[in-house]
Amino acid sequence: GGIITQTPKFLIGQEGQKLTLKCQQNFNHDTMYWYRQDSGKGLRLIYYSITENDLQKGDLSEGYDASREKKSSFSLTVTSAQKNEMAVFLCASSMGGNSGNTLYFGEGSRLIVV
Amino acid sequence: QQKVQQSPESLTVSEGAMASLNCTFSDRSSDNFRWYRQHSGKGLEVLVSIFSDGEKEEGSFTAHLNRASLHVFLHIREPQPSDSALYLCAVSPGTGGYKVVFGSGTRLLVSP
Repeated sequence: GGIITQTPKFLIGQEGQKLTLKCQQNFNHDTMYWYRQDSGKGLRLIYYSITENDLQKGDLSEGYDASREKKSSFSLTVTSAQKNEMAVFLCASSMGGNSGNTLYFGEGSRLIVV
Repeated sequence: QQKVQQSPESLTVSEGAMASLNCTFSDRSSDNFRWYRQHSGKGLEVLVSIFSDGEKEEGSFTAHLNRASLHVFLHIREPQPSDSALYLCAVSPGTGGYKVVFGSGTRLLVSP
């Protein structure tokens, strides 16, 4: 089995600040994803990457940047944190191919904007 | 654009009683469906995947897909208090793309 590690677990920042979340996976999966989850609700896709150095926008990419410099890691940057962005950010990975594969998730990073 | 809706928003059942959750989707060409569970403060874990009409059982979890009526159900047999969690339906596009769409979830509480 493998594991997805997200850091930090809690990220506190000020309004307007640039903040970065990191994700590492040891499944050797090709595809990685960043989702945003608001207050016990469903997930919305921010960015995904189908291979190293690839980036694809999801439905919620505005205000975010992403980077996939290595197969095992995928980072997400909030370019200018806003108070209405306080949410849990979930990283996931899946085998290559397409969405036909199961997604495996990390435990999430909670963003708090003060 | 694919829409995935879940009902009810919340459900309370007694320990040992069957729990049934509903998920409706809008794109009939969707080709695979998963149910995930999320305990408070944790990530999602996959419970069952289903790819064709009918039923698929994994332990105490049974998914039932009816593509014609655009429904996929999750039945939980003899739930325990430890099954209290948020249950999320995930639908993958039929074109083989990467954008999995999630429902907003059903919060299940299993009372002892």
